[in-house]
Amino acid sequence: SQTIHQWPATLVQPVGSPLSLECTVEGTSNPNLYWYRQAAGRGLQLLFYSVGIGQISSEVPQNLSASRPQDRQFILSSKKLLLSDSGFYLCAWGAIAGAEQFFGPGTRLTVL
Amino acid sequence: AQSVAQPEDQVNVAEGNPLTVKCTYSVSGNPYLFWYVQYPNRGLQFLLKYITGDNLVKGSYGFEAEFNKSQTSFHLKKPSALVSDSALYFCAVKTGGFKTIFGAGTRLFVKA
Repeated sequence: SQTIHQWPATLVQPVGSPLSLECTVEGTSNPNLYWYRQAAGRGLQLLFYSVGIGQISSEVPQNLSASRPQDRQFILSSKKLLLSDSGFYLCAWGAIAGAEQFFGPGTRLTVL
Repeated sequence: AQSVAQPEDQVNVAEGNPLTVKCTYSVSGNPYLFWYVQYPNRGLQFLLKYITGDNLVKGSYGFEAEFNKSQTSFHLKKPSALVSDSALYFCAVKTGGFKTIFGAGTRLFVKA
């Protein structure tokens, strides 16, 4: 069966510090991968998606970036965090373009 | 542009009563429609989807949803609510591409 992992589960970082959140998927090949941010426990904002290694599409211009160095690994990064980067970050995978997505447990990021 | 509306921020229902969480959508083309549930500090869990076929779709935990093309709606229903159904529910839509558009979410409270 497929599983999706995210770490760390929680993170507290000072403004201006770098960020690296990791997501890995097991039990599937060539998944579509997604990073979302959820603010205040409500709607999801799509940040990035990837349909293959090294292929990243950005949805919202901001100080975040994403990379996909391996088929089942998706990394969200920032060189300098802002207060507004605080939120709940969710990674998800989908098998094909029209399919449902499966979400990881999320990372709660607090920028102070 | 694709969009999803969940007109109710919150739905309150007594345990044992039927529940409905509303969703309407706007897309060009045939929609793929989804419902997800989120428990506190967790990732989203897929409940059910409509791609084509029977307008009544059955999903996990006794939930079902009815696709109504003329009203562009996809309401989530359950005949008898449980306290454990209390959570945040998201409706989502896509039209075959890689991106899913999520609604703002509806918080369901089931009172014992």
